[in-house]
Amino acid sequence: KAGVTQTPRYLIKTRGQQVTLSCSPISGHRSVSWYQQTPGQGLQFLFEYFSETQRNKGNFPGRFSGRQFSNSRSEMNVSTLELGDSALYLCASNIGGGSIYEQYFGPGTRLTVT
Amino acid sequence: QKEVEQDPGPLSVPEGAIVSLNCTYSNSAFQYFMWYRQYSRKGPELLMYTYSSGNKEDGRFTAQVDKSSKYISLFIRDSQPSDSATYLCALGGSNYKLTFGKGTLLTVNP
Repeated sequence: KAGVTQTPRYLIKTRGQQVTLSCSPISGHRSVSWYQQTPGQGLQFLFEYFSETQRNKGNFPGRFSGRQFSNSRSEMNVSTLELGDSALYLCASNIGGGSIYEQYFGPGTRLTVT
Repeated sequence: QKEVEQDPGPLSVPEGAIVSLNCTYSNSAFQYFMWYRQYSRKGPELLMYTYSSGNKEDGRFTAQVDKSSKYISLFIRDSQPSDSATYLCALGGSNYKLTFGKGTLLTVNP
């Protein structure tokens, strides 16, 4: 079974631009979570989606948004990029049933903001 | 006080050693406890998942949870150079959100 895929793998953007990152979960998984990883803050929760509904959101500004499609694929968007948004953005999927925290991560998208 | 505290290391051990990695937490609402391994430039890989106090063993790995002390551990027996990675503890409650420790960088020397 294929794992979680994320596109693109690497991205360089300029401050003030916006960016959209994509995540395809493991086949049959209906929950998708997004995390930001930086050397200083570690892994921080952005949001979680299940059946196209956002069930929780982390403490990030409104510039960070996401959505999930009917096929469980998910996208996250960051508008008006800041230098501090440079990070590894990780997507994780879960079957959405009993073991809600058995999450499987993709390889991440490394975003650099200049 | 941070919700999850994890000693960042780095930790360097000889091949074959027993490794002990630990996290403490402050929020009693955490019910689910995970350990992830992350190699450089890769996403985290789920190693162990448990939701009860006590020990859970999987090959050379043992996860230990003590809810009364709010303390979780991961033990690696007969450590191998391929175990060299960053180990992250992760905790979950009822809000569909994982809270991670900062990670411990482990190096196993041949």
